[in-house]
Amino acid sequence: DAGVIQSPRHEVTEMGQEVTLRCKPISGHNSLFWYRQTMMRGLELLIYFNNNVPIDDSGMPEDRFSAKMPNASFSTLKIQPSEPRDSAVYFCASRLTAYGYTFGSGTRLTVV
Amino acid sequence: GESVGLHLPTLSVQEGDNSIINCAYSNSASDYFIWYKQESGKGPQFIIDIRSNMDKRQGQRVTVLLNKTVKHLSLQIAATQPGDSAVYFCAETEYGNKLVFGAGTILRVKS
Repeated sequence: DAGVIQSPRHEVTEMGQEVTLRCKPISGHNSLFWYRQTMMRGLELLIYFNNNVPIDDSGMPEDRFSAKMPNASFSTLKIQPSEPRDSAVYFCASRLTAYGYTFGSGTRLTVV
Repeated sequence: GESVGLHLPTLSVQEGDNSIINCAYSNSASDYFIWYKQESGKGPQFIIDIRSNMDKRQGQRVTVLLNKTVKHLSLQIAATQPGDSAVYFCAETEYGNKLVFGAGTILRVKS
């Protein structure tokens, strides 16, 4: 089991550019979560999916952020246009049951 | 201007001593709790969990205690080792819903 796989591990981009973060959940897991971690706000849930359907996106900061899960093995988090305050570590997590969460290693995003 | 971030509490312990990390949770309806360990540059790593119908659960060198009356969770690490140095987070959830994290505690182990 390769675990939850995120790419890229690091991303540096200029303000105004589009950024796409990717996540491959553990095979067979039916829920997927996107979290953001900053020094200011800690670990915050942005959005989560059950069976590829978005369930709660109340944590998505604004319209510049969007997430998709086109199939059970892939999800993207897109920021367009990116701003310096979006700089953070973005984590993806997946689970099979209500009780088994596994996190990826994260993508460190720097917007300059 | 100077940025203000979360001021995480820090627990410093001597190698070999026991550590106790505390957490206050917010939702009285939460029925499942998890402790995570996060090392620098890595994602949160599962340590131990407990359901609300229990008040204690033991793992290898770790014990979690749950006090629902005061909404308090603690993590006990026995014989703390240098490799235990990390940030520890408690997280809570109501069945099937989102996992909400606490602010975290930094554990520093002195050799």
